[in-house]
Amino acid sequence: GESVGLHLPTLSVQEGDNSIINCAYSNSASDYFIWYKQESGKGPQFIIDIRSNMDKRQGQRVTVLLNKTVKHLSLQIAATQPGDSAVYFCAETGGGADGLTFGKGTHLIIQP
Amino acid sequence: NAGVTQTPKFRILKIGQSMTLQCTQDMNHNYMYWYRQDPGMGLKLIYYSVGAGITDKGEVPNGYNVSRSTTEDFPLRLELAAPSQTSVYFCASTNNRAGTEAFFGQGTRLTVV
Repeated sequence: GESVGLHLPTLSVQEGDNSIINCAYSNSASDYFIWYKQESGKGPQFIIDIRSNMDKRQGQRVTVLLNKTVKHLSLQIAATQPGDSAVYFCAETGGGADGLTFGKGTHLIIQP
Repeated sequence: NAGVTQTPKFRILKIGQSMTLQCTQDMNHNYMYWYRQDPGMGLKLIYYSVGAGITDKGEVPNGYNVSRSTTEDFPLRLELAAPSQTSVYFCASTNNRAGTEAFFGQGTRLTVV
């Protein structure tokens, strides 16, 4: 079936560097794409979303890029900080009320 | 605001026992969801609700039941616990029909032995 997945399970970056977390999706009917952050022992926390009619959206220290041609989504975190250490999930939805489809997650590790 | 509150945080069940995972939200959100998260995996949708009195199945509903008698509460019931139901369960809510900016509870870690 169609699903959302991630390229890498673990990403290690130096503190202060920029981080780029990638996600591939296969459902061309998806209307929204979302990034969540999950710290150890906690529930996922919404970071940013992007609608399918956009290719870029910026938030505070984060940017999401959407490339519909190759069905690719990325999350860029500027000036990575120790508090950014977490598992990051991409998710998608068709825009209806029937919940999100999540990928497996990327563990972001911050090196001092 | 407390947000989304789940109880209990941890539970060990024996095979065949039943239990109810509680979820309540104080944000007056119409849309509520139950997900399960297996180790190293993303979340899978069990059930969802678009408002009081309305529930529907998600991707993995077998072995679970839900009810939504009020806007605030969305309990998840396991009738005959099985080892395959060992997981972390998350409840979420949103006022956004697309479900994008969902608020999640802290989770219930369930072990069935």
